[in-house]
Amino acid sequence: SQQGEEDPQALSIQEGENATMNCSYKTSINNLQWYRQNSGRGLVHLILIRSNEREKHSGRLRVTLDTSKKSSSLLITASRAADTASYFCATGSSYNQGGKLIFGQGTELSVKP
Amino acid sequence: GAGVSQSPRYKVAKRGQDVALRCDPISGHVSLFWYQQALGQGPEFLTYFQNEAQLDKSGLPSDRFFAERPEGSVSTLKIQRTQQEDSAVYLCASSKQRDHSYNEQFFGPGTRLTVL
Repeated sequence: SQQGEEDPQALSIQEGENATMNCSYKTSINNLQWYRQNSGRGLVHLILIRSNEREKHSGRLRVTLDTSKKSSSLLITASRAADTASYFCATGSSYNQGGKLIFGQGTELSVKP
Repeated sequence: GAGVSQSPRYKVAKRGQDVALRCDPISGHVSLFWYQQALGQGPEFLTYFQNEAQLDKSGLPSDRFFAERPEGSVSTLKIQRTQQEDSAVYLCASSKQRDHSYNEQFFGPGTRLTVL
């Protein structure tokens, strides 16, 4: 079963705009990760944020985590057509042996040139 | 290659047929995971190996699903007597460390299984 939900399910923006995706989860975690999946390709890891962190940056990506609300957001700034993909949040927990990930249902992002 | 590879990339099976899906993880990665991804959904965990030991198979949907990693590297996911509901993309992932939930997982391109 999925860990939680992502919002919105689909997002369409123009190149240069910012894109914000949200993720909610249900159980306690010790890390949350964001992955990107292009059509026909595997998942690519973008960023990991630990449960004791509130914000993390990587290039044009900014991730926030609010453990009290069990939610996270991914912000992509100055979007490009190449950012078109599905984005998934995934949670890891010390209860998940070996570090298995529980994924959300994903946000489908379309960036129009 | 440096990444996780999977074969075949596409598999069409008739209902009732057995299939075997292969995963070659990144060399030296201790942990290996199998996930199932239905169309329009996020991946769902199937099973986990630490080296050759299968430590978690709680996500396998039925006893028709079987996975092995006999020498702690290549893994095979076998589905017996395939059903239409088995149609999905099967993703393999590996990570460097064992039993550590801060690990980034590296995913293969997946095998798209279609059961007719």
